[in-house]
Amino acid sequence: EAGVTQFPSHSVIEKGQTVTLRCDPISGHDNLYWYRRVMGKEIKFLLHFVKESKQDESGMPNNRFLAERTGGTYSTLKVQPAELEDSGVYFCASSQDGEPYTEAFFGQGTRLTVV
Amino acid sequence: LAKTTQPISMDSYEGQEVNITCSHNNIATNDYITWYQQFPSQGPRFIIQGYKTKVTNEVASLFIPADRKSSTLSLPRVSLSDTAVYYCLVQPYGNNRLAFGKGNQVVVIP
Repeated sequence: EAGVTQFPSHSVIEKGQTVTLRCDPISGHDNLYWYRRVMGKEIKFLLHFVKESKQDESGMPNNRFLAERTGGTYSTLKVQPAELEDSGVYFCASSQDGEPYTEAFFGQGTRLTVV
Repeated sequence: LAKTTQPISMDSYEGQEVNITCSHNNIATNDYITWYQQFPSQGPRFIIQGYKTKVTNEVASLFIPADRKSSTLSLPRVSLSDTAVYYCLVQPYGNNRLAFGKGNQVVVIP
């Protein structure tokens, strides 16, 4: 079974440009999460989808970030316009429903460099 | 979310048992303790989760004392491939949002 896949693995863009990151979760996983680690910092939560709905987007840094999950399958995270401080590694994770907790499966991440 | 505190780094010789500690003094009654492992250039990977006492799986054991204010992840007979960052997290019941701390860099040396 395929794991969580992210594309691209690395992106280098200029300040002011737009970048779209893609995440394909494990098939059948209703929960999809975005996290990121900026240089020297801890991995931080960005948002959580349940199917196509945003369950929690409290971690989104500002309105330059837009996440979508049309049809409840893959998700995209668009940064427009990109700023230097957006550089970092963006992780996507997915999980099934279940209590008290279900294991989150992470992708390998997309390294974003804004120059 | 309860804050966790871990050592920054530790080294261990190949073949030894490694015990990684975590402090979570403000853990709530309905919080679970979860450990993740992260290799360079990869996303975190779930290792084990527990609520109290001892939990064991094919990868590790997790020891949680009665007061639950700390926990210890035990890796038996580590190999070089166990070199990674190990994260201890506290999760409220039914809350899948993960709050990562700085983690503990474990280096296994031959």
